Amino acid sequence: AQKVTQAQTEISVVEKEDVTLDCVYETRDTTYYLFWYKQPPSGELVFLIRRNSFDEQNEISGRYSWNFQKSTSSFNFTITASQVVDSAVYFCALSEAGGTALIFGKGTTLSVSS
Amino acid sequence: NAGVTQTPKFQVLKTGQSMTLQCAQDMNHEYMSWYRQDPGMGLRLIHYSVGAGITDQGEVPNGYNVSRSTTEDFPLRLLSAAPSQTSVYFCASSLNRGFETEAFFGQGTRLTVV
Repeated sequence: AQKVTQAQTEISVVEKEDVTLDCVYETRDTTYYLFWYKQPPSGELVFLIRRNSFDEQNEISGRYSWNFQKSTSSFNFTITASQVVDSAVYFCALSEAGGTALIFGKGTTLSVSS
Repeated sequence: NAGVTQTPKFQVLKTGQSMTLQCAQDMNHEYMSWYRQDPGMGLRLIHYSVGAGITDQGEVPNGYNVSRSTTEDFPLRLLSAAPSQTSVYFCASSLNRGFETEAFFGQGTRLTVV
């Protein structure tokens, strides 16, 4: 069965702190895709990254970085030097190849204060 | 390119009323789906479609109907609204099942059933 666990329900940091959002997934497939989405207070879902199971390279995009480790079934997301605009709910999601659903974690609410 | 368009953005219904949430995409995507988002629950799949004329149930289908008469449109019908259907609804589309490419989400519909 597929499952995504985001154990951190809420995180509060002060601006300029680094913060890591954890994501642990379960799947029996060898081919799958992992996603991160951001949901700001305005409510829309903003796509951040998609990673396939065969690509374990870490990725960096500006202040954002992602650490994919198949050995621990984790796909963690780090924001460096956080800013108030990073305040949002962040979702990790999983899809198996040929699957019919994105399986979402319950989300982590990040609050960044100035 | 409009992407995924959902209407309405907000809706208040009385218990027992029916309504249709509209979803349209202009990317010629085969796969379309409806999710509901409830506090602390993440997003859960209601129904999905892998092509015109083909629909199937997701994790939480009760109380909802869908149809897919064209590739572009995937409406979600609430037959007799109940307070438990108060939620934020998202329509999503992808080129095909499995999400080998990015999943695109609509802006969301905030539905309140009183």
